[in-house]
Amino acid sequence: DAGITQSPRYKITETGRQVTLMCHQTWSHSYMFWYRQDLGHGLRLIYYSAAADITDKGEVPDGYVVSRSKTENFPLTLESATRSQTSVYFCASSESATSWAEKLFFGSGTQLSVL
Amino acid sequence: GENVEQHPSTLSVQEGDSAVIKCTYSDSASNYFPWYKQELGKGPQLIIDIRSNVGEKKDQRIAVTLNKTAKHFSLHITETQPEDSAVYFCAPLGSQGNLIFGKGTKLSVKP
Repeated sequence: DAGITQSPRYKITETGRQVTLMCHQTWSHSYMFWYRQDLGHGLRLIYYSAAADITDKGEVPDGYVVSRSKTENFPLTLESATRSQTSVYFCASSESATSWAEKLFFGSGTQLSVL
Repeated sequence: GENVEQHPSTLSVQEGDSAVIKCTYSDSASNYFPWYKQELGKGPQLIIDIRSNVGEKKDQRIAVTLNKTAKHFSLHITETQPEDSAVYFCAPLGSQGNLIFGKGTKLSVKP
């Protein structure tokens, strides 16, 4: 199906473990994003990517790593998970050709719990 | 840093009534003002957006109004229906080019 899909839907891990959240889009949008959503904070930008092999930090990048070897995939890795990274993670892509932050389409999210 | 505030944080209305959510921002350079709707268990979905050169925009039962002088914009939903129940986020464009999300308004529409 066309759209943006995230996996897994739910993930439980332990502190210190590495975990990777996957994001795949079928629209061939250039821009992709990772946000985290926490109670009391709304959504905060972690990393974004303008195209394959081009990534940049957002508001809260510490403790996260991203890569984008292909336009359609944008995985997010927590190299050594901490309890403060317990959150709901959303991947998004932008259909706008003129402004990268406009017209975002979000995936359904990954609920991550770090014990 | 940039500051975005939404009011109210929760809003309960009767079906058929109107609902208004206000978003205040601090960055006077912001020129793009979207509203997103998030239903339970789903990602946010863009429902309407407006640019700084326009004062109002309507799309069926929803509208957005912008007051650049006062640095606030509002979401208006008329003839509310139970399916309008969700969390609504404003997200004005920040100086770094990214969206700055408000903390959300939970709207409940009672049948």
